Amino acid sequence: EVQLVESGGGLVQPGGSLRLSCAASGFTFNTYWMHWVRQAPGKGLVWVSRINYDASSITYADSVQDRFTVSRDNANDTLYLQMNGLRLEDTAVYYCARGSQRGYEDYWGQGALVTVSS
Amino acid sequence: DIQMTQSPSSLSASVGDTVTITCRSSQYISNYLNWYQQIPGRAPKLLIYGISTLQSGVPSRFSGSGSGTDFTLTISSLQPEDSATYYCQHSYTVPLTFGGGTKVQIK
Repeated sequence: EVQLVESGGGLVQPGGSLRLSCAASGFTFNTYWMHWVRQAPGKGLVWVSRINYDASSITYADSVQDRFTVSRDNANDTLYLQMNGLRLEDTAVYYCARGSQRGYEDYWGQGALVTVSS
Repeated sequence: DIQMTQSPSSLSASVGDTVTITCRSSQYISNYLNWYQQIPGRAPKLLIYGISTLQSGVPSRFSGSGSGTDFTLTISSLQPEDSATYYCQHSYTVPLTFGGGTKVQIK
């Protein structure tokens, strides 16, 4: 059974940093793209970033480019999202998701809440 | 960026009804059109990919159709557990973008 479990969410002040982790199990992690998608409270889904199998291809949404860094540890089946320079508008539930060859996300974690507030 | 426009933003229907949600992309996306269901408080769930292919385990009352820039999600014989928000998404290129969502409520 595919499982994705996010951790690392919490309350942070504007300008602060936070690192999210996503522990994967139930599939061969190093053969899949992985994505981060976020959802602000009461709002819709927004794609944040994706990383390919060996981290040789990484893409970000414009809204997080140069502030967020996605990485992966294939030895430990874990995906990361390092978030720096956090802004009020980054407040959201952050989901990690497994990516398919056609780009869609076929399995999602339960999400990690990040709250940016002073 | 490719914009995805869904309509309606919300609807209310009775158990057993057929419900249709439309999604339009701002440019050609071939068959890179996907649909997700999100029940309140839960993570999104993939329903349909490639316009019309049902993800494993998804009930057959869900179907997708369309081509080019205009797409449709149909729920036949609506069930109480279908109360959720539905999102379309393109995966044609980055950035991937989602529609604004359609909230389906059961009367």
